[in-house]
Amino acid sequence: DAKTTQPNSMESNEEEPVHLPCNHSTISGTDYIHWYRQLPSQGPEYVIHGLTSNVNNRMASLAIAEDRKSSTLILHRATLRDAAVYYCILRSGNEKLTFGTGTRLTIIP
Amino acid sequence: DAGITQSPRHKVTETGTPVTLRCHQTENHRYMYWYRQDPGHGLRLIHYSYGVKDTDKGEVSDGYSVSRSKTEDFLLTLESATSSQTSVYFCAISEQQGYGYTFGSGTRLTVV
Repeated sequence: DAKTTQPNSMESNEEEPVHLPCNHSTISGTDYIHWYRQLPSQGPEYVIHGLTSNVNNRMASLAIAEDRKSSTLILHRATLRDAAVYYCILRSGNEKLTFGTGTRLTIIP
Repeated sequence: DAGITQSPRHKVTETGTPVTLRCHQTENHRYMYWYRQDPGHGLRLIHYSYGVKDTDKGEVSDGYSVSRSKTEDFLLTLESATSSQTSVYFCAISEQQGYGYTFGSGTRLTVV
């Protein structure tokens, strides 16, 4: 399965945009890029996903590089409630999600 | 989370005893998954199902079995629990390829 690489941790100030990077240089043509986040003592929560084009929803935006070897999750205006571990995941054709270790995002008030 | 429930939420059991965890969904989604989460390992897939009676192994399937006799229920069984199976177990559902997963709230299992 294709793997992703994310920074272990990031910090951001409250009410500022946050850009969370993810590298996936071995992505295959049919792999979807998914982002999830997990708050303490909770199950992961779906954030956004995409295949080739940039995607927007009420929670975030996903910017996908033209060669698809990297992507960036964008939180447009971080709040304290956005503090979580963020996982960038490739969903392979056989339907499995393979989680990495994620990025722990800290929001500074 | 709405549409997916796990039971029990917490369980303590003794080494060598069988344990069954239940995942129940009301979304009629085709795909269901069992993950475990341990410090330093993130979430790891145990087993998954792509339809009634259709299941397959994940990366850490040894010591676990699953069954799915109807769309809404996916059972995870530890035939003979060991201390290494102490973990938090998450169930997830998905409608189809390319769609997001919805995770349950988790079951914290302690094997003593």
